[in-house]
Amino acid sequence: GAGVSQTPSNKVTEKGKYVELRCDPISGHTALYWYRQSLGQGPEFLIYFQGTGAADDSGLPNDRFFAVRPEGSVSTLKIQRTERGDSAVYLCASSLKSSYNEQFFGPGTRLTVL
Amino acid sequence: QQPVQSPQAVILREGEDAVINCSSSKALYSVHWYRQKHGEAPVFLMILLKGGEQKGHEKISASFNEKKQQSSLYLTASQLSYSGTYFCGTLKGANFGNEKLTFGTGTRLTIIP
Repeated sequence: GAGVSQTPSNKVTEKGKYVELRCDPISGHTALYWYRQSLGQGPEFLIYFQGTGAADDSGLPNDRFFAVRPEGSVSTLKIQRTERGDSAVYLCASSLKSSYNEQFFGPGTRLTVL
Repeated sequence: QQPVQSPQAVILREGEDAVINCSSSKALYSVHWYRQKHGEAPVFLMILLKGGEQKGHEKISASFNEKKQQSSLYLTASQLSYSGTYFCGTLKGANFGNEKLTFGTGTRLTIIP
């Protein structure tokens, strides 16, 4: 079956602009996660959805970051007023029910803020 | 707090063994191991729950000592395909609100022919 997909694969934007990153999880997976990964570092947790609701958003760095999952499948990570420090690979993962199951990662979106 | 992995990097010849360690300063419920190849997404290897569990996956196995808050990943008779960066991820609890997986600092493994 299809794995986790993310679009776009690459996004270059200018400082101050707004961006949206999309994640399409594996069908039937209720849990969805967003991570941010900088070069040479491990994935850094941002937010976790269980169904449509954000079960844990403690990793969002500030109020410029927001994520939604309105119908319990596709999720969008939204970043306002982008800064150069936001440049990273944004990874999305999904799991069947929860974090106690295997997480399947998407290929990521490489965000570059100029 | 982020788990600390050791070593940071290791180079092995094909067929040699390696051990990668993951230590946390906080009590753990489970440890998850992933491997990430350069430019690719992390891929799941195994989950260990507290109870001193040991698991195996072909020639890759792992142990979890919850008293010491440590896990070790064992790679035996390494193959070229084992190259990549290994991350442990830790969960603090088994209940709602404790499902944030915190990844470690990573161990880069290079296997040479």
